[in-house]
Amino acid sequence: GESVGLHLPTLSVQEGDNSIINCAYSNSASDYFIWYKQESGKGPQFIIDIRSNMDKRQGQRVTVLLNKTVKHLSLQIAATQPGDSAVYFCAENNNNNDMRFGAGTRLTVKP
Amino acid sequence: EAGVAQSPRYKIIEKRQSVAFWCNPISGHATLYWYQQILGQGPKLLIQFQNNGVVDDSQLPKDRFSAERLKGVDSTLKIQPAKLEDSAVYLCASSPSGVLNTEAFFGQGTRLTVV
Repeated sequence: GESVGLHLPTLSVQEGDNSIINCAYSNSASDYFIWYKQESGKGPQFIIDIRSNMDKRQGQRVTVLLNKTVKHLSLQIAATQPGDSAVYFCAENNNNNDMRFGAGTRLTVKP
Repeated sequence: EAGVAQSPRYKIIEKRQSVAFWCNPISGHATLYWYQQILGQGPKLLIQFQNNGVVDDSQLPKDRFSAERLKGVDSTLKIQPAKLEDSAVYLCASSPSGVLNTEAFFGQGTRLTVV
C-alpha cells in the first residue's frame, strides 16, 4: 500500500550544527504534511506543518521543504541543541484528516 | 487548555486476557484517533472517529480489537483476547472540529505489556 517512509533511521550531529531529516511519501493525494517530535515516554508533539500548495515553510529554528515532484519532505533544524534529541516522524494527511506516519528518524545531538 | 488525557499509563496483562484503554480528547475536538506504536516504529492508525461515527477502521484487527465513542467525546479501546504481539504504546489523539488539514494533539499514551 501507499505509505510514508524515511530515508535514515538514525542521525547523529554535533551540537550547534544543522540537522536535516528526510521523508519520502508515495500517496499523491496527500495534501498536508506534518513533522512531529517524540521524546521518550511521551506522545508525538507537533513541530511544523506544510500544505501541498507550498514548497517551504519556516518556524523557529525549523524549516520544512516539500518537493511534490519527487514526493519528498525534509525537516531542517538550525543550530541543533541537546534538547532536540528525539525521534522525528513525518505524517501525511488527506482530506479526511486521515493521518499516516512514517517509521521515524532518531536524532542524537552530541555535546 | 487541557491536553488529551489517557489512562492508564501502564498496563501489564497475560496473553488471552482482556484490557481497555480510555481517552478524553481536548474539549471541542470532533476527530479522535487511536494509534498503535510498536517499539522502534511509527504510530499506526487503528481507528479514526468523527464525533461518534467511524471514519476509518481499516487497520483495526476487528477479531480482537474494538473501540467506541458513544457520546462523541471520550473513547475506549478494548483488546480481547490479548496476544503477545499487542505489546505496544497505544496513543490517542484529537483534532479540532470541522477543520481539515490540521495537526492532531496526542496524549502520553498507554504502554501495554502482554506476557
